[in-house]
Amino acid sequence: GAVVSQHPSRVICKSGTSVKIECRSLDFQATTMFWYRQFPKQSLMLMATSNEGSKATYEQGVEKDKFLINHASLTLSTLTVTSAHPEDSSFYICSASGLQGKISGYTFGSGTRLTVV
Amino acid sequence: AQTVTQSQPEMSVQEAETVTLSCTYDTSESDYYLFWYKQPPSRQMILVIRQEAYKQQNATENRFSVNFQKAAKSFSLKISDSQLGDAAMYFCALSRWGGSEKLVFGKGTKLTVNP
Repeated sequence: GAVVSQHPSRVICKSGTSVKIECRSLDFQATTMFWYRQFPKQSLMLMATSNEGSKATYEQGVEKDKFLINHASLTLSTLTVTSAHPEDSSFYICSASGLQGKISGYTFGSGTRLTVV
Repeated sequence: AQTVTQSQPEMSVQEAETVTLSCTYDTSESDYYLFWYKQPPSRQMILVIRQEAYKQQNATENRFSVNFQKAAKSFSLKISDSQLGDAAMYFCALSRWGGSEKLVFGKGTKLTVNP
């Protein structure tokens, strides 16, 4: 089946530094990548949508200069949290959409737990 | 705007019994997908079942089945012969037709399975 590899699974960084999270679709072409943030015991909150080769579309209230998204190829998308602060600590999940077999669907990465100290 | 409502924050079921999780939604689209995702403690999102709105037949996947009532905009998930491994958060989700459309999630239902 379709697999999305997300790395790192956990990261601790110092306040003020930047952190990059990668998502790779291993066996299909991800035409669209979605990035979510999830707070404890809450649902997934969509941050942005990116299509390969295009600028990401950010949801209202999400700072595009803080959360930089790059989707340069059909198999790789990255989320960079710039100048991270403790309030950016959260669980981040990517989801790739593409034609998996003949059925369009969504495949999720395993998530990244970011802790900013 | 599309919305998904899960009115049961928590549910519990005895092992081997059956449980139904509720989901209602709102959309102005005529073509759309509905999903149930499972998120165990590992936090990996796992697709449980998917329903295309144009299909009248309810989707089934082994012990999991849905009751899709399009007119009522209801999409409940039935888990039969519940197992300890079914314990997880369950999210109902909706997307417009087409794989590049975003998923709209409900707030989730935490399912506990008692031995």
